[in-house]
Amino acid sequence: EVQLVESGGGLVKPGGSLRLSCAASGFTFSSYSMNWVRQAPGKGLEWVSSIVGTSVYTYYADSVKGRFTISRDNAKNSLFLQMNSLRAEDTAVYYCARTISTIVVAPDYWGQGTLVTVSS
Amino acid sequence: AIQLTQTPSSLSASVGDRVTITCRASQVISSALAWYQQKPGKAPNLLIYAASTVQSGVPSRFSGSGSGTDFTLTISSLQPDDFATYYCQQFNSYPLTFGGGTKVEIK
Repeated sequence: EVQLVESGGGLVKPGGSLRLSCAASGFTFSSYSMNWVRQAPGKGLEWVSSIVGTSVYTYYADSVKGRFTISRDNAKNSLFLQMNSLRAEDTAVYYCARTISTIVVAPDYWGQGTLVTVSS
Repeated sequence: AIQLTQTPSSLSASVGDRVTITCRASQVISSALAWYQQKPGKAPNLLIYAASTVQSGVPSRFSGSGSGTDFTLTISSLQPDDFATYYCQQFNSYPLTFGGGTKVEIK
């Protein structure tokens, strides 16, 4: 059974940093691209970042480029999101999600999400 | 970035109704579109990908169609479990983008 479990969320002050983690199980982690998608309170879904299985390619939304860094550790079946220079508008539930395939770049399995609150 | 416009943003329907949600892309995306269902407090659930391929385990009352710029998600006979918010998402190119969502409520 595919499982994705996020952790690392919490309350942080504007300008602060946070590192999210996602523990994956139930599939060959290194074979799949992975994503972070967020959802601000009461709002819609916003794609944040993606990383291919080999980590060779990473992609970012303009809203987080230069501030967030996606990475993965295939040996530990883990995905990460380092978030720096956090802003109030980064407040959201952050979901870790697996991509169906290299051709169909749509998330099929999602974690339960971790809440990040940026507030003074 | 490719923009996705979903219509309507909300709708009220009764159990048994046929429901259609539209997603329009700001440029041609071939069939690179997915549909998700999300219930309050839960993660999204993939329903359809590649515009019309139904994800394993999804009830047959859900179907998707379209290509190019215009897409539809159809629920043939609305069930109580289907009241939720629905999102489209394009994967033709980065940045990946989602539509604004359609909330399906009980009439």
